[in-house]
Amino acid sequence: NAGVTQTPKFQVLKTGQSMTLQCAQDMNHEYMSWYRQDPGMGLRLIHYSVGAGITDQGEVPNGYNVSRSTTEDFPLRLLSAAPSQTSVYFCASSSDRNTGELFFGEGSRLTVL
Amino acid sequence: AQSVTQPDIHITVSEGASLELRCNYSYGATPYLFWYVQSPGQGLQLLLKYFSGDTLVQGIKGFEAEFKRSQSSFNLRKPSVHWSDAAEYFCAVGTGNQFYFGTGTSLTVIP
Repeated sequence: NAGVTQTPKFQVLKTGQSMTLQCAQDMNHEYMSWYRQDPGMGLRLIHYSVGAGITDQGEVPNGYNVSRSTTEDFPLRLLSAAPSQTSVYFCASSSDRNTGELFFGEGSRLTVL
Repeated sequence: AQSVTQPDIHITVSEGASLELRCNYSYGATPYLFWYVQSPGQGLQLLLKYFSGDTLVQGIKGFEAEFKRSQSSFNLRKPSVHWSDAAEYFCAVGTGNQFYFGTGTSLTVIP
């Protein structure tokens, strides 16, 4: 039972570099989302998707892009990394965007120098 | 605007003592409320959820929470804490498409 799989688990970038955080789920969930977790800030929603081909912005979308070409995958792209994007990133999916339990990946720790 | 407040950043309790973690929310419509737990280096796991009906909901690991609409609160409780309960706890509200999380309460359990 894989659930939600995130890669990589750790990444160090230099300012200005780009990268993609991968997220895949095998539960056939329509709803997928990306959060960032920072000390004292809790989890903040970056982007979310309610199905293939549909994405929308959350609380803190600037500097991030997403796409949803399949039900299973929801990659998060950093176009030009900044030190302010140093954080732990979590991908989560749910069978119901209103009432469903969010299933989280184990997180990706990103450091931008 | 919707928001979730967890006023206690850190709580320390003795093993076997009771626990209450506070959560207040701000949301105009009927809220969908959740408590999640995060162990170090891990993702979040659902403890319990409230949608409607009985205001006292039971969750996993012996946790329960009570929804009080008049106080806009959804406090988490456990009668007797175990050392393995040491973790970070997050309250969340679901608003349809978006879930908003509190800043978390870190629980330390002392022997």
